[in-house]
Amino acid sequence: AQSVTQLGSHVSVSEGALVLLRCNYSSSVPPYLFWYVQYPNQGLQLLLKYTSAATLVKGINGFEAEFKKSETSFHLTKPSAHMSDAAEYFCAVSDTGGNEKLTFGTGTRLTIIP
Amino acid sequence: KAGVTQTPRYLIKTRGQQVTLSCSPISGHRSVSWYQQTPGQGLQFLFEYFSETQRNKGNFPGRFSGRQFSNSRSEMNVSTLELGDSALYLCASSNGDMETQYFGPGTRLLVL
Repeated sequence: AQSVTQLGSHVSVSEGALVLLRCNYSSSVPPYLFWYVQYPNQGLQLLLKYTSAATLVKGINGFEAEFKKSETSFHLTKPSAHMSDAAEYFCAVSDTGGNEKLTFGTGTRLTIIP
Repeated sequence: KAGVTQTPRYLIKTRGQQVTLSCSPISGHRSVSWYQQTPGQGLQFLFEYFSETQRNKGNFPGRFSGRQFSNSRSEMNVSTLELGDSALYLCASSNGDMETQYFGPGTRLLVL
């Protein structure tokens, strides 16, 4: 079964500092991996996805993530945090059965310190 | 292109009642998935429908059911509501070919 672990349920960074949100996956085959963001009282918005093409994936709002098979990781980064980045971030892995099921991590709440 | 819409946005029910939630996918999308989000259990997959057929199902009791219509709109039903069913229910649509899932704003259900 697929699983995803997000280290750190809460992360605080200063405005302008590097954002690093950690995600490790468990999968028997190379998976599809996703990062979603959720703002208060809203649904999930896709930031970026990895589908076995380039290992460095660029997403929206300046975010990017690197797929590292040897470390089974897919960490999310942004060079310079902005106040508008404050939200909850979810890493997800797709099912290998050819269907649309996503397995989500427990989420990381990102706080930006002015 | 219009996004995924869910109705109603908020709902209050009492224990024992049943509830039906609706999801309209992005035009042209044939797959609709449903997720439950709670503070304790996080985001959990309920089921997925593709071309009116349930293609996958999560580990939820039979009180949770769904269906999809020929226009790809989907409904999910929860019967005999329990306090623990209080959650944000999210619907997501895609073209069904392992492409990106787009999420709606959710329906927040409160069971009293």
